Amino acid sequence: GIQVEQSPPDLILQEGANSTLRCNFSDSVNNLQWFHQNPWGQLINLFYIPSGTKQNGRLSATTVATERYSLLYISSSQTTDSGVYFCAVGITGFQKLVFGTGTRLLVSP
Amino acid sequence: EPEVTQTPSHQVTQMGQEVILRCVPISNHLYFYWYRQILGQKVEFLVSFYNNEISEKSEIFDDQFSVERPDGSNFTLKIRSTKLEDSAMYFCASRLRLAGSYEQYFGPGTRLTVT
Repeated sequence: GIQVEQSPPDLILQEGANSTLRCNFSDSVNNLQWFHQNPWGQLINLFYIPSGTKQNGRLSATTVATERYSLLYISSSQTTDSGVYFCAVGITGFQKLVFGTGTRLLVSP
Repeated sequence: EPEVTQTPSHQVTQMGQEVILRCVPISNHLYFYWYRQILGQKVEFLVSFYNNEISEKSEIFDDQFSVERPDGSNFTLKIRSTKLEDSAMYFCASRLRLAGSYEQYFGPGTRLTVT
């Protein structure tokens, strides 16, 4: 099946710093979503981005489908950005999502 | 904005007991999913459901699991006889039936603790 790898596995930042999270996938996809898992365990949908670039406030994402990777940019990080960021991809069929192992981000004040 | 809801938010049960986790998908969505996340691990697909039948299931989804859409709004996951290893966060998701739009919307999850 499709493999999804995320890097780095762990990231520690000072408040105000910028960061880039990466998601590589092993096959063509027609769905790619980025999630933030908050301390309560909820999955917050950040972006639906099977291709192209999107921005939402301090966050932006780019997916280069032909090269099988996606990037999540966090600018001017805040302590509330802490948590685990997951990338998930879907292929044809009934579109189950396959999740990566996540990047654990800690933003310190 | 419409959202997927799940109840209960946390359930504690004893090993061997049956549990039913409930989800209310977004009203015009037609594809439904259950995922689970064991503490500290990644999120794993369990089952997808469309047109009142299972469309795909993972190897995790054995005979102890079942899903049902008992009415026009609820989508349930039943675990017949819970085991300690069923302790996890269970997420329900739904999406539209629309060509070219595959975004899945996730509920807040139910944390199941089996003692």
